[in-house]
Amino acid sequence: QVILKESGPGLVKTSETLSLTCTVSGHSFGDVYFWGWIRQSPGKGLVWIGSIDDRANTFCSPSLVGRVTLYIDMSMRQFYLNLTSVTAADTALYFCATVGPWGSVDSWGQGSLVIVSS
Amino acid sequence: QSALTQPPSASGSPGQSVTISCTGSSSDIGSYKHVSWYQQPPGKAPKIIIYEVNQRPSGVPDRFSGSKSGNTASLTVSGLLAEDEADYFCSSYAGANIVVFGGGTKLTVL
Repeated sequence: QVILKESGPGLVKTSETLSLTCTVSGHSFGDVYFWGWIRQSPGKGLVWIGSIDDRANTFCSPSLVGRVTLYIDMSMRQFYLNLTSVTAADTALYFCATVGPWGSVDSWGQGSLVIVSS
Repeated sequence: QSALTQPPSASGSPGQSVTISCTGSSSDIGSYKHVSWYQQPPGKAPKIIIYEVNQRPSGVPDRFSGSKSGNTASLTVSGLLAEDEADYFCSSYAGANIVVFGGGTKLTVL
């Protein structure tokens, strides 16, 4: 059973870069199709951010292209999210996840709340 | 890609069945058999309960079932239990390894 845990600062200033790390345990890192990020604004729905595969190919939401960078470090069993030029609209609970070949989000981290404030 | 459309709320009494709809477009649900459903209890992370329109992961009760017709997918919860009270989200593959989610439906067990 894969275990995913997000980590990163809980508070980011407006216009700065949000950086999160997802650490993977309990599973062979190479057996997953994609590693993904999803966010959920307070009281709102889920929003797809993007995903990365073990060859570091990335696939990002068209609404966030240009602001999102995804990285992966298989030796560290971690993958990463950078979101630039944040605003209050980026305040959300950020989940990392495993993603199947056709977009099913099979396993989820517990989520990391990030608040954007000046 | 626009979000998929779900009703904001649904409800039913214990033992009854409830169906939640998820409407997309010809760019997502209408083009692919890759629809998933997730259950999110209050304060917890989502959990997948249906994938590939109607497949249940191991451990998910067969009270949960999924279907699709045209641009609309549906989740049916039969034999409602109090523990089914949660938010339910749909998602669909939208091509080029992009996923789109629905806005979520709050299911209340009366």
